[in-house]
Amino acid sequence: EAEVAQSPRYKITEKSQAVAFWCDPISGHATLYWYRQILGQGPELLVQFQDESVVDDSQLPKDRFSAERLKGVDSTLKIQPAELGDSAMYLCASTEGTSSGANVLTFGAGSRLTVL
Amino acid sequence: AQSVAQPEDQVNVAEGNPLTVKCTYSVSGNPYLFWYVQYPNRGLQFLLKYITGDNLVKGSYGFEAEFNKSQTSFHLKKPSALVSDSALYFCAVRHGNYGGATNKLIFGTGTLLAVQP
Repeated sequence: EAEVAQSPRYKITEKSQAVAFWCDPISGHATLYWYRQILGQGPELLVQFQDESVVDDSQLPKDRFSAERLKGVDSTLKIQPAELGDSAMYLCASTEGTSSGANVLTFGAGSRLTVL
Repeated sequence: AQSVAQPEDQVNVAEGNPLTVKCTYSVSGNPYLFWYVQYPNRGLQFLLKYITGDNLVKGSYGFEAEFNKSQTSFHLKKPSALVSDSALYFCAVRHGNYGGATNKLIFGTGTLLAVQP
């Protein structure tokens, strides 16, 4: 069964350092999402790509977060500088085609970030 | 704007008993509703969805959910719980009226299901 790959699974860093997360969606999936899940809460959308284009980054803290999907395949989410409040699970998901309301998202296992 | 409420942080049930995990939603127009499950240190896995048609939707691992438009609810159910069902369950909603690129999937805060042997 095809999976969404994410790395690293775990990352511990000190505040003010830079961190990066990588995601490889299911082959052929045009839409890619980055979600942040703070402990005890549901996932919150940070950024959504359609192929290589950003279609929604309204909840992305752009002063410190950036995301790219240069060739419309894999994607990188970067945080610089990291802050204590960034400690969370960062989930990547993908879905085929455009963002139809009925499409099911397939999630990766996530990257857990701890900022000390 | 759409929203989802999961009123119970945790649901405890004995193995073999029926289980219900509650979800209510708020969305203008028709909703698309989803349930996902998350096991420890894992991503979310899709269980089932309601788009249109029959109000009772059947999904993976014996789970089902009932869409109730008048009560704006989409409760998750299973006739006989297993210890292996213990996990975090998320309800999610989208607008059903359009498939625009910014039609976000909004998640609830999650309900921890604990099934005791």
